[in-house]
Amino acid sequence: SQQGEEDPQALSIQEGENATMNCSYKTSINNLQWYRQNSGRGLVHLILIRSNEREKHSGRLRVTLDTSKKSSSLLITASRAADTASYFCATHTGNQFYFGTGTSLTVIP
Amino acid sequence: SAVISQKPSRDICQRGTSLTIQCQVDSQVTMMFWYRQQPGQSLTLIATANQGSEATYESGFVIDKFPISRPNLTFSTLTVSNMSPEDSSIYLCSVEQGGDTQYFGPGTRLTVL
Repeated sequence: SQQGEEDPQALSIQEGENATMNCSYKTSINNLQWYRQNSGRGLVHLILIRSNEREKHSGRLRVTLDTSKKSSSLLITASRAADTASYFCATHTGNQFYFGTGTSLTVIP
Repeated sequence: SAVISQKPSRDICQRGTSLTIQCQVDSQVTMMFWYRQQPGQSLTLIATANQGSEATYESGFVIDKFPISRPNLTFSTLTVSNMSPEDSSIYLCSVEQGGDTQYFGPGTRLTVL
């Protein structure tokens, strides 16, 4: 399967702390994207990083990409209770998208 | 980014019946996708629907079970046929824009009794 693997599966932190989640994949990619999903809802696109980029920022989000290791990380700084959600990475290869297994983040107020 | 709506948002259905899920986009798009997300799982692509052609199904999904229509560039339907409890999932439609990003509808939560 080309589906990405994410770790940890679940993460629980205190409000104000940083949250880091990782994604590993198996094939070469055009880009990698991170999505957030609140319970039982649709996915919200957070950030896209292209295969020739190593790091990208958007607000409190920081994404890194290491194509040699086929891995990416998403860092959420100064977490808030509203960040509680599941986070998925998705790799874009050709015209195919493959979603990772997801990390469930709980931010405790 | 595209704004996508889905109907119904949720439904509870009896075994053996069928449900048609609608997906409406506020702009014209070439490619639309249908995903299934079983409880606690990641997304699994069911099929890709391009306007004017037959949908392309992924391994494990067949047209008889999940017929798809794509009558124009802003609308698509997915039917879940002859349902069983194993079909209980969230069904999501998405569109590709900019050649590299997918945007998702809010999902349809289906429970089959």
